[in-house]
Amino acid sequence: KAGVTQTPRYLIKTRGQQVTLSCSPISGHRSVSWYQQTPGQGLQFLFEYFSETQRNKGNFPGRFSGRQFSNSRSEMNVSTLELGDSALYLCASSWTGMTEAFFGQGTRLTVV
Amino acid sequence: AQTVTQSQPEMSVQEAETVTLSCTYDTSESDYYLFWYKQPPSRQMILVIRQEAYKQQNATENRFSVNFQKAAKSFSLKISDSQLGDAAMYFCAPPLRPPYGGSQGNLIFGKGTKLSVKP
Repeated sequence: KAGVTQTPRYLIKTRGQQVTLSCSPISGHRSVSWYQQTPGQGLQFLFEYFSETQRNKGNFPGRFSGRQFSNSRSEMNVSTLELGDSALYLCASSWTGMTEAFFGQGTRLTVV
Repeated sequence: AQTVTQSQPEMSVQEAETVTLSCTYDTSESDYYLFWYKQPPSRQMILVIRQEAYKQQNATENRFSVNFQKAAKSFSLKISDSQLGDAAMYFCAPPLRPPYGGSQGNLIFGKGTKLSVKP
């Protein structure tokens, strides 16, 4: 069974640009969650999607948004990038959202 | 609010010895899952072990075991016969809500414990 796939693995963007990250969950998993990991703040929850609906959202500004498609693939978008958005973005999928989550390898975003 | 505390930012263990990583959490729920994840230098988050709160028996997975104290809201991870490959950041993660239909399930992670293994 294929694991969670995140694309791209690395990304360099300029301040003010926008970016879209993609996550393909494990087949059959309906819950996809996104996390931001930085050295200073650790792992922070961004949002979770279940069956194309956002079920929960962390404490991030509206520049961070996401969506989930009918095949459970998810995208997250960050608009008007700031230097502080530089981070490792992790996607995790699980069967229901309450069982164990399996993580992708992450997308390393650098904003210059 | 539900919180997670890992009070040991860094720990070190000699190869083949045993080490225990601590985690306390706060929740008003009565039934939930708890997880320990490992993040080696490759940054890939790997599930180490899970515990179901309604089960009295502590979970064990090969060299990894937990000491789950529900009343104390404590969930420690014991690594026996430590190996060099165990060196990583370890994160404790209880979910926000119990595993009931319709409730969201999102992991809240502690700050992590960086484990070093000395040869």
